[in-house]
Amino acid sequence: EDQVTQSPEALRLQEGESSSLNCSYTVSGLRGLFWYRQDPGKGPEFLFTLYSAGEEKEKERLKATLTKKESFLHITAPKPEDSATYLCAVQGKAMDSNYQLIWGAGTKLIIKP
Amino acid sequence: GAGVSQTPSNKVTEKGKYVELRCDPISGHTALYWYRQSLGQGPEFLIYFQGTGAADDSGLPNDRFFAVRPEGSVSTLKIQRTERGDSAVYLCASSPGTGVRGDTQYFGPGTRLTVL
Repeated sequence: EDQVTQSPEALRLQEGESSSLNCSYTVSGLRGLFWYRQDPGKGPEFLFTLYSAGEEKEKERLKATLTKKESFLHITAPKPEDSATYLCAVQGKAMDSNYQLIWGAGTKLIIKP
Repeated sequence: GAGVSQTPSNKVTEKGKYVELRCDPISGHTALYWYRQSLGQGPEFLIYFQGTGAADDSGLPNDRFFAVRPEGSVSTLKIQRTERGDSAVYLCASSPGTGVRGDTQYFGPGTRLTVL
């Protein structure tokens, strides 16, 4: 069964303190792994798509990496405005549901000034 | 260059009433999805449209829920005889269309439904 687990559930950091969020997944053939940011009361905002192991993508203070079993979202020198819930989702190759996203529960990140 | 829009942003209704939630996808996107999200959880899949047809409605919880997309653009999620358990944020997403690689879904701001 396709499954996504994110850890930790919550993470509190001081401004400037770098860290990583984890997304472990099991899927019958990976079509894509997606990272989203969600602020309270808003819809998920797309960050990255990763397609194959070894791929990396960067955007400002964020860097996403992918292996065959997990993905990391690295946050370098975070600022208070990086505070949000970060969601990970995977899309598998099962013929009858290859468009569906399987979601993790998210990591709530709080950056203290 | 507008993103996905949803109306209303908030809807408060009484138990037993009928509600309609609207989604306007990104122009040119053929795929449209409805999700439901409860506090502290990831989105829960409800229904997927490819063009005008519902390609997969397996996530709809029961027959009180129905969605349409008559012209392949705007979609409406309809909930009959609302129950308190229907209270959640209803999210709509659109994507260019399925392809060989994973198809990125772009989300709207959501409609917060509260059933009293």
